[in-house]
Amino acid sequence: AQKITQTQPGMFVQEKEAVTLDCTYDTSDPSYGLFWYKQPSSGEMIFLIYQGSYDQQNATEGRYSLNFQKARKSANLVISASQLGDSAMYFCAMREDKHAGNMLTFGGGTRLMVKP
Amino acid sequence: DAMVIQNPRYQVTQFGKPVTLSCSQTLNHNVMYWYQQKSSQAPKLLFHYYDKDFNNEADTPDNFQSRRPNTSFCFLDIRSPGLGDAAMYLCATSRASGANDYEQYFGPGTRLTVT
Repeated sequence: AQKITQTQPGMFVQEKEAVTLDCTYDTSDPSYGLFWYKQPSSGEMIFLIYQGSYDQQNATEGRYSLNFQKARKSANLVISASQLGDSAMYFCAMREDKHAGNMLTFGGGTRLMVKP
Repeated sequence: DAMVIQNPRYQVTQFGKPVTLSCSQTLNHNVMYWYQQKSSQAPKLLFHYYDKDFNNEADTPDNFQSRRPNTSFCFLDIRSPGLGDAAMYLCATSRASGANDYEQYFGPGTRLTVT
């Protein structure tokens, strides 16, 4: 079974509008972390936001927020006020703390395209 | 600035000719990772070093080897590249799990072409 599922291979959003990128996960480990990374066409993976499984509040970093619904095992990324520079691949990833080494499992990614 | 550096950014090699990709870091992180990423796919972990301990993923081909001579440097050796090994290779670092600094820091990647 997939540990991280991103069901939207591609999405369009109008500049200045908000967009939600979906991510669901599967783990039996009570302690885990969820990450979102942005990958522009240049290839570098850029860390955006993190949510720990025990965090009570949803994480926020500037225009990025993570809608964490633990019972549903979802960790959707919300980007407010989209900008043209937000066009990129977005990957959701999970770390399970039962594994040493801080390893990540990535979802298949969502390509976001921001329209002017 | 502290960072993860990968050289070269673009590498062209011939079918069957050994190639080495390098990664260095100034973050003093004790864990280093190598990922392979093919076009429009998620990064796939090949192996990682936890300090000097080498950890190979079960499905990583024997054709891929790695060396970590010290904390700062890690190398990916492809002994006999095939056409299917053409991909972006990403190096990443992190502190060990349990620390507050939890994310993986990625280098810019090396795009490998096999002719």
